Amino acid sequence: GNSVTQMEGPVTLSEEAFLTINCTYTATGYPSLFWYVQYPGEGLQLLLKATKADDKGSNKGFEATYRKETTSFHLEKGSVQVSDSAVYFCALSGMDTGRRALTFGSGTRLQVQP
Amino acid sequence: KAGVTQTPRYLIKTRGQQVTLSCSPISGHRSVSWYQQTPGQGLQFLFEYFSETQRNKGNFPGRFSGRQFSNSRSEMNVSTLELGDSALYLCASSSAGGSPLHFGNGTRLTVT
Repeated sequence: GNSVTQMEGPVTLSEEAFLTINCTYTATGYPSLFWYVQYPGEGLQLLLKATKADDKGSNKGFEATYRKETTSFHLEKGSVQVSDSAVYFCALSGMDTGRRALTFGSGTRLQVQP
Repeated sequence: KAGVTQTPRYLIKTRGQQVTLSCSPISGHRSVSWYQQTPGQGLQFLFEYFSETQRNKGNFPGRFSGRQFSNSRSEMNVSTLELGDSALYLCASSSAGGSPLHFGNGTRLTVT
């Protein structure tokens, strides 16, 4: 079946540091890949997505590239801000399970200190 | 445009009771999905409805059920509640095709 593996958190960084959150996946066929962000007390917000190999999703300074050869979709940001503190989820939707049945990773908590 | 609205925000129930959660999707969205979020299991897919029909179901017992109405609003029901059903239940809506999911803020259910 489908699965998503994320790096364990929490990740603690100073403001303006470089961020990488690793994400690898297992799926049949060609899944779509997503990063969602969850702020305290809220639901999930779509951060970015990529639907085919070598696509780069980007939003609000975050970016991730769909790497089929390494089955990865690592999230990066060049300079984090305190307001980026949240939990980040990597997810996929597989062709075999329906495009709206997402499989999520366990989430990575990011804490950015001033 | 209003987002996905889930009611109530918080619920406290006793073991053995049943509960109904409600979700109003973004206007024009015909697909509604439900997810359970717990510290131990993370985010897990429950089911998806489109045009009042269940199109996909996750690996949950039959105590978990749902339905969708003609106006796309959806309800989720859990019968014979167990302590392990305590979780944040998230609803998400999307339009047809491969468009992304838009999540509500969830209903936090506590079973005592």
